[in-house]
Amino acid sequence: EAAVTQSPRSKVAVTGGKVTLSCHQTNNHDYMYWYRQDTGHGLRLIHYSYVADSTEKGDIPDGYKASRPSQENFSLILELASLSQTAVYFCASSDAANERLFFGHGTKLSVL
Amino acid sequence: SQLAEENSWALSVHEGESVTVNCSYKTSITALQWYRQKSGKGPAQLILIRSNEREKRNGRLRATLDTSSQSSSLSITATRCEDTAVYFCATVASSGSWQLIFGSGTQLTVMP
Repeated sequence: EAAVTQSPRSKVAVTGGKVTLSCHQTNNHDYMYWYRQDTGHGLRLIHYSYVADSTEKGDIPDGYKASRPSQENFSLILELASLSQTAVYFCASSDAANERLFFGHGTKLSVL
Repeated sequence: SQLAEENSWALSVHEGESVTVNCSYKTSITALQWYRQKSGKGPAQLILIRSNEREKRNGRLRATLDTSSQSSSLSITATRCEDTAVYFCATVASSGSWQLIFGSGTQLTVMP
């Protein structure tokens, strides 16, 4: 079974602070994604990457940056965290674009 | 904009019964995927059905796709308590954005 590991599992951040969410996959997949899930809603794509050292904007990139230093690692960076960024964040990987996505367990972020 | 949407917020059945979750979408697609998300976990893909397919099975699960009415259904037979989860449909448009767009999900509760 493919493995995607996110850290931390939960985080409390202060408004205006910097937050980095990390994701590591051992699937040897080219594609990696960051999604955001708000309570009672589906997932929305923030950033994605199909090759190391390159990232692309998804549907809701404002306020977020992404970094893909290697095939295995993909980070999501909130330079100035805001209350509206309180959500659960999921990282995923896939072998081909938008085929079977393998998700991590999620990071619950609370911005106070 | 919401490309795909499940037709019910919540469903409940008793163990052993069958249940169907419906999804409608708004534009031409290349494929539709069904995901299941259990509490505290990331989504897991159940079935991927391509636009030239009408039905796909995976054990107790059966997905159908009707491109003329732009709708899909996921049926689960002989439900078990462990089928309790949120079920999402997700689509990729055949033109324009290639992003995988998730619906907001249907909460299925299987009661003993």
